[in-house]
Amino acid sequence: QTVVTQEPSLTVSPGGTVTLTCASSTGAVTSGYYPNWFQQKPGQAPRALIYGTTNKHSWTPARFSGSLLGGKAALTLSAVQPEDEAEYYCLLFYGGAQPNWVFGGGTKLTVL
Amino acid sequence: QVQLVESGGGVVQPGRSLRLSCASSGFTFSTYGMHWVRQAPGKGLEWVAIIWNDGSKTYYADSVKGRFTISRDNSKNTLYLQMNSLRGEDTAVYYCGREIWYGESREYFGHWGQGTLVTVSS
Repeated sequence: QTVVTQEPSLTVSPGGTVTLTCASSTGAVTSGYYPNWFQQKPGQAPRALIYGTTNKHSWTPARFSGSLLGGKAALTLSAVQPEDEAEYYCLLFYGGAQPNWVFGGGTKLTVL
Repeated sequence: QVQLVESGGGVVQPGRSLRLSCASSGFTFSTYGMHWVRQAPGKGLEWVAIIWNDGSKTYYADSVKGRFTISRDNSKNTLYLQMNSLRGEDTAVYYCGREIWYGESREYFGHWGQGTLVTVSS
């Protein structure tokens, strides 16, 4: 069973920078896993932030960026704002004869 | 603009069936693969199923394989999820979403609806 692991929780100060990561139990995450990132605030549906590792949607604030870092997918928030406090999920694609899509368990980001 | 409207949720007893719908607008529905994902109360997101744009292929999470069936009607721009033999652990908000291929990149769930809540309880 494939597991995608994220930090359960992180805390950042307003104006600071934080990096969330997304690791695969199968090994290093590459662009072929097409990492996507989502933000979810309490009581709301998720909102897409990043697709295909680094690509932003038209509504994604410039302070959000995606990358590959040390064999993981990464989401970096710069100049963090109080409204960035939320749960963040990554999604990885696993190809092959039986393709599968797996979400990470989510990172609860606190801005304090 | 892209709109996805899920419906069909409700309270159902264990072992019974339910069919969810996802009405799509604002894009050429027949062009895209479509997914279902779910989120149990207070839990994370879980991928459920995908169907190819032409309905030719379907894949499922192990947790629902053999019990759920994803289908689509491209003439009605609508995606479906037939859920049989429902269990308590199927209790969740169910969302539909599309997949877009951009050459070397793929976008999943760029747009989200409000979801539809399925509660499996006796």
